[in-house]
Amino acid sequence: EVQLVESGGGLVQPGRSLRLSCAVSGLTFDDFAMHWVRQPPGKGLEWVSGINWNSGTIVYADSVKGRFTISRDNAKNSLYLQMNSLRAEDTAFYYCAKVLEGFGELSGAADIWGQGTMVTVSS
Amino acid sequence: DIVLTQSPDSLAVSLGERATINCKSDQSVFDNFNYKNYLAWYQKKPGQPPRLLIYWASARESGVPDRFSGSGSETDFTLTISSLQAEDVAVYYCQQYFGRPPYTFGQGTELEIK
Repeated sequence: EVQLVESGGGLVQPGRSLRLSCAVSGLTFDDFAMHWVRQPPGKGLEWVSGINWNSGTIVYADSVKGRFTISRDNAKNSLYLQMNSLRAEDTAFYYCAKVLEGFGELSGAADIWGQGTMVTVSS
Repeated sequence: DIVLTQSPDSLAVSLGERATINCKSDQSVFDNFNYKNYLAWYQKKPGQPPRLLIYWASARESGVPDRFSGSGSETDFTLTISSLQAEDVAVYYCQQYFGRPPYTFGQGTELEIK
């Protein structure tokens, strides 16, 4: 069974940093691109960042560009999101998600999602 | 960036009746090389992660009941639930994954029982 498990969320002050992790099991991790998607409380889904299979293609939403860094460690079957200079508007549930098709590239629907981890940015 | 606009924002349908949700893109998401529409539909319930229902605009994900179907091409897409069940109450989102990111979502459509 394929599983994605996020961790690292919590309460953090504005301007501080947080690192999210996503542990992946049940598949050949480096066959697939991965994404981070977030949902602020009471709002819709927002795509945040994506990384292809070998980290050769990395893209960010304009809202997080320059502050967030996505990375992956294929040897550890893990995806990460380093979040710096956090703002109140970054408060959200953060999900990691796997791209459906195993071509390793970014473009594709997300078929498996983690349960999410909550990030709250507040003083 | 591609903007997706869903309609309606909310919808109330009687059990057993048809529910139809629309998603309009401000740019075509159709690839003329592989003849695919780069659009997906997700179901989101409170406390749960999004669930993929439809990809490539009309391909049903494994395990999704066949009352869910997707249609449309280029800029206009539809998610149809042929016979609404109580467990279908949720918020539904379309997402495009055409070309280079951002892979934007629609604003969501809240589906309720009438």
